[in-house]
Amino acid sequence: DAKTTQPTSMDCAEGRAANLPCNHSTISGNEYVYWYRQIHSQGPQYIIHGLKNNETNEMASLIITEDRKSSTLILPHATLRDTAVYYCIVRVHNDYKLSFGAGTTVTVRA
Amino acid sequence: NAGVTQTPKFRVLKTGQSMTLLCAQDMNHEYMYWYRQDPGMGLRLIHYSVGEGTTAKGEVPDGYNVSRLKKQNFLLGLESAAPSQTSVYFCASSYSDRVTGYTFGSGTRLTVV
Repeated sequence: DAKTTQPTSMDCAEGRAANLPCNHSTISGNEYVYWYRQIHSQGPQYIIHGLKNNETNEMASLIITEDRKSSTLILPHATLRDTAVYYCIVRVHNDYKLSFGAGTTVTVRA
Repeated sequence: NAGVTQTPKFRVLKTGQSMTLLCAQDMNHEYMYWYRQDPGMGLRLIHYSVGEGTTAKGEVPDGYNVSRLKKQNFLLGLESAAPSQTSVYFCASSYSDRVTGYTFGSGTRLTVV
Protein backbone atom coordinates (compact mmCIF):
# COMPACT_ATOMS: atom_id res chain seq x y z
CA ASP A 1 0.00 0.00 0.00
CA ALA A 2 1.10 3.57 -0.67
CA LYS A 3 2.34 5.48 2.36
CA THR A 4 0.78 8.77 3.37
CA THR A 5 2.26 11.90 4.90
CA GLN A 6 0.16 14.26 7.00
CA PRO A 7 1.07 17.24 9.18
CA THR A 8 1.26 16.33 12.83
CA SER A 9 -1.17 19.01 13.96
CA MET A 10 -3.09 22.06 12.84
CA ASP A 11 -5.42 24.64 14.31
CA CYS A 12 -8.59 26.00 12.81
CA ALA A 13 -10.97 28.78 13.78
CA GLU A 14 -14.56 27.83 14.50
CA GLY A 15 -16.82 28.58 11.56
CA ARG A 16 -14.00 28.64 9.07
CA ALA A 17 -13.12 25.96 6.56
CA ALA A 18 -10.49 23.46 7.66
CA ASN A 19 -8.25 22.14 4.89
CA LEU A 20 -6.36 18.98 5.81
CA PRO A 21 -3.60 17.95 3.39
CA CYS A 22 -2.35 14.46 2.70
CA ASN A 23 0.52 13.43 0.50
CA HIS A 24 0.47 10.01 -1.15
CA SER A 25 2.99 10.37 -3.94
CA THR A 26 3.42 6.60 -4.46
CA ILE A 27 -0.27 5.85 -4.85
CA SER A 28 -1.19 3.20 -7.40
CA GLY A 29 -3.97 3.45 -9.94
CA ASN A 30 -6.21 1.03 -8.07
CA GLU A 31 -5.80 2.58 -4.63
CA TYR A 32 -8.53 4.61 -2.99
CA VAL A 33 -8.01 7.51 -0.58
CA TYR A 34 -9.97 7.18 2.66
CA TRP A 35 -10.40 9.66 5.48
CA TYR A 36 -11.37 8.76 9.02
CA ARG A 37 -11.40 10.77 12.21
CA GLN A 38 -11.13 9.82 15.85
CA ILE A 39 -12.66 12.02 18.47
CA HIS A 40 -11.06 11.65 21.87
CA SER A 41 -11.53 8.16 23.37
CA GLN A 42 -13.95 7.06 20.66
CA GLY A 43 -13.55 4.61 17.82
CA PRO A 44 -12.55 6.03 14.43
CA GLN A 45 -15.38 7.32 12.27
CA TYR A 46 -15.49 7.00 8.50
CA ILE A 47 -15.71 10.38 6.74
CA ILE A 48 -15.28 10.01 3.01
CA HIS A 49 -13.33 8.23 0.31
CA GLY A 50 -12.48 8.69 -3.36
CA LEU A 51 -10.55 7.25 -6.27
CA LYS A 52 -9.81 10.16 -8.60
CA ASN A 53 -12.86 12.40 -8.71
CA ASN A 54 -13.66 14.96 -6.07
CA GLU A 55 -16.25 13.77 -3.60
CA THR A 56 -18.65 15.50 -1.24
CA ASN A 57 -20.98 14.25 1.44
CA GLU A 58 -22.76 15.70 4.44
CA MET A 59 -19.58 15.69 6.50
CA ALA A 60 -16.83 16.89 4.18
CA SER A 61 -15.37 17.29 0.72
CA LEU A 62 -12.42 15.40 -0.69
CA ILE A 63 -10.27 17.02 -3.35
CA ILE A 64 -7.81 14.73 -5.13
CA THR A 65 -5.19 16.26 -7.41
CA GLU A 66 -5.18 15.25 -11.05
CA ASP A 67 -1.98 13.21 -10.64
CA ARG A 68 -3.49 11.66 -7.48
CA LYS A 69 -0.31 12.25 -5.51
CA SER A 70 -2.04 14.35 -2.88
CA SER A 71 -5.47 15.13 -1.54
CA THR A 72 -7.20 17.59 0.76
CA LEU A 73 -10.04 16.96 3.15
CA ILE A 74 -12.20 20.03 3.59
CA LEU A 75 -14.46 20.57 6.56
CA PRO A 76 -16.51 23.50 5.25
CA HIS A 77 -17.58 25.08 8.53
CA ALA A 78 -15.51 23.70 11.38
CA THR A 79 -17.14 23.41 14.79
CA LEU A 80 -15.63 22.62 18.18
CA ARG A 81 -16.98 19.08 17.78
CA ASP A 82 -14.67 18.60 14.78
CA THR A 83 -11.65 18.61 17.09
CA ALA A 84 -10.17 15.17 16.49
CA VAL A 85 -7.33 13.18 14.95
CA TYR A 86 -7.83 12.84 11.21
CA TYR A 87 -6.37 9.88 9.35
CA CYS A 88 -5.64 9.77 5.64
CA ILE A 89 -5.41 6.19 4.42
CA VAL A 90 -4.63 4.76 1.02
CA ARG A 91 -5.97 1.30 0.38
CA VAL A 92 -5.63 -1.16 -2.47
CA HIS A 93 -9.03 -1.98 -3.92
CA ASN A 94 -8.93 -5.64 -2.86
CA ASP A 95 -7.19 -5.16 0.47
CA TYR A 96 -9.77 -4.71 3.17
CA LYS A 97 -7.25 -4.22 5.97
CA LEU A 98 -6.96 -0.58 6.90
CA SER A 99 -3.68 0.72 8.32
CA PHE A 100 -3.78 3.78 10.54
CA GLY A 101 -0.78 6.02 11.00
CA ALA A 102 -0.45 8.88 13.47
CA GLY A 103 -2.81 11.21 11.59
CA THR A 104 -3.27 14.97 12.00
CA THR A 105 -4.49 16.35 15.29
CA VAL A 106 -6.94 19.11 14.42
CA THR A 107 -7.93 21.59 17.11
CA VAL A 108 -10.84 23.88 16.37
CA ARG A 109 -10.68 27.04 18.49
CA ALA A 110 -13.55 29.34 19.36
CA ASN B 1 -29.31 1.22 17.17
CA ALA B 2 -27.32 -0.64 14.55
CA GLY B 3 -23.61 -0.73 15.08
CA VAL B 4 -20.67 -2.41 16.73
CA THR B 5 -20.84 -3.15 20.44
CA GLN B 6 -17.81 -4.00 22.55
CA THR B 7 -17.85 -5.50 26.02
CA PRO B 8 -16.48 -4.80 28.52
CA LYS B 9 -15.64 -1.09 28.25
CA PHE B 10 -13.00 -1.19 30.96
CA ARG B 11 -11.01 -3.95 32.60
CA VAL B 12 -8.02 -4.31 34.89
CA LEU B 13 -6.14 -7.60 34.79
CA LYS B 14 -3.25 -8.97 36.75
CA THR B 15 -0.26 -10.28 34.84
CA GLY B 16 -0.90 -13.86 33.80
CA GLN B 17 -4.68 -13.69 33.94
CA SER B 18 -6.81 -14.46 30.93
CA MET B 19 -9.84 -12.72 29.50
CA THR B 20 -12.03 -12.47 26.42
CA LEU B 21 -13.21 -9.29 24.73
CA LEU B 22 -16.49 -9.56 22.87
CA CYS B 23 -17.39 -7.67 19.71
CA ALA B 24 -20.92 -7.88 18.31
CA GLN B 25 -22.30 -6.28 15.16
CA ASP B 26 -25.88 -6.26 13.88
CA MET B 27 -25.23 -4.99 10.35
CA ASN B 28 -24.71 -8.40 8.74
CA HIS B 29 -21.13 -7.47 7.92
CA GLU B 30 -18.85 -10.18 6.58
CA TYR B 31 -15.56 -8.68 7.74
CA MET B 32 -14.55 -8.02 11.32
CA TYR B 33 -11.31 -6.71 12.84
CA TRP B 34 -9.54 -6.19 16.14
CA TYR B 35 -7.15 -3.25 16.54
CA ARG B 36 -5.12 -1.95 19.45
CA GLN B 37 -4.19 1.66 20.04
CA ASP B 38 -1.38 2.75 22.30
CA PRO B 39 -0.91 6.35 23.52
CA GLY B 40 0.01 8.77 20.74
CA MET B 41 -0.11 6.11 18.08
CA GLY B 42 -2.43 5.04 15.33
CA LEU B 43 -4.32 1.77 15.30
CA ARG B 44 -2.55 -1.51 14.68
CA LEU B 45 -4.37 -4.55 13.34
CA ILE B 46 -4.23 -7.61 15.62
CA HIS B 47 -6.44 -10.17 13.87
CA TYR B 48 -9.25 -10.10 11.38
CA SER B 49 -11.95 -12.33 9.92
CA VAL B 50 -13.41 -12.41 6.42
CA GLY B 51 -16.41 -14.50 7.37
CA GLU B 52 -17.94 -16.88 9.88
CA GLY B 53 -15.48 -19.57 10.88
CA THR B 54 -12.43 -17.78 9.47
CA THR B 55 -9.65 -15.82 11.17
CA ALA B 56 -6.29 -14.43 10.09
CA LYS B 57 -3.32 -12.68 11.65
CA GLY B 58 -2.79 -8.98 11.34
CA GLU B 59 0.19 -6.78 12.11
CA VAL B 60 0.59 -7.57 15.83
CA PRO B 61 -1.03 -10.97 16.56
CA ASP B 62 1.37 -12.34 19.20
CA GLY B 63 -0.24 -12.99 22.58
CA TYR B 64 -3.79 -12.91 21.21
CA ASN B 65 -6.24 -15.45 19.85
CA VAL B 66 -9.57 -14.91 18.12
CA SER B 67 -12.68 -16.83 17.15
CA ARG B 68 -15.59 -16.12 14.81
CA LEU B 69 -18.09 -18.90 15.54
CA LYS B 70 -21.05 -16.72 14.62
CA LYS B 71 -21.14 -14.10 11.88
CA GLN B 72 -22.19 -11.34 14.25
CA ASN B 73 -19.55 -12.00 16.93
CA PHE B 74 -15.78 -11.71 16.96
CA LEU B 75 -13.97 -12.64 20.17
CA LEU B 76 -10.46 -11.56 21.16
CA GLY B 77 -8.72 -13.62 23.81
CA LEU B 78 -5.70 -12.99 25.97
CA GLU B 79 -4.49 -16.30 27.42
CA SER B 80 -1.82 -14.87 29.73
CA ALA B 81 -1.99 -11.10 29.99
CA ALA B 82 1.21 -9.04 30.06
CA PRO B 83 1.74 -5.36 30.92
CA SER B 84 2.68 -4.77 27.27
CA GLN B 85 -0.91 -5.57 26.38
CA THR B 86 -2.17 -2.54 28.25
CA SER B 87 -3.96 -0.64 25.52
CA VAL B 88 -7.28 0.45 24.10
CA TYR B 89 -8.82 -2.23 21.90
CA PHE B 90 -11.15 -1.40 19.05
CA CYS B 91 -13.31 -3.74 17.06
CA ALA B 92 -14.55 -2.87 13.58
CA SER B 93 -16.66 -4.43 10.86
CA SER B 94 -17.27 -3.85 7.18
CA TYR B 95 -19.13 -5.25 4.20
CA SER B 96 -17.24 -7.35 1.73
CA ASP B 97 -17.60 -4.51 -0.78
CA ARG B 98 -14.18 -2.93 -1.05
CA VAL B 99 -15.36 0.65 -1.31
CA THR B 100 -17.32 0.89 1.89
CA GLY B 101 -15.99 2.27 5.13
CA TYR B 102 -15.53 0.56 8.43
CA THR B 103 -17.78 0.89 11.47
CA PHE B 104 -15.89 0.91 14.75
CA GLY B 105 -16.95 0.11 18.27
CA SER B 106 -16.36 2.49 21.17
CA GLY B 107 -13.34 0.62 22.50
CA THR B 108 -12.25 -1.42 25.51
CA ARG B 109 -9.66 0.12 27.80
CA LEU B 110 -7.52 -2.70 29.24
CA THR B 111 -4.90 -2.26 31.94
CA VAL B 112 -2.59 -5.11 32.90
CA VAL B 113 -0.82 -4.65 36.22
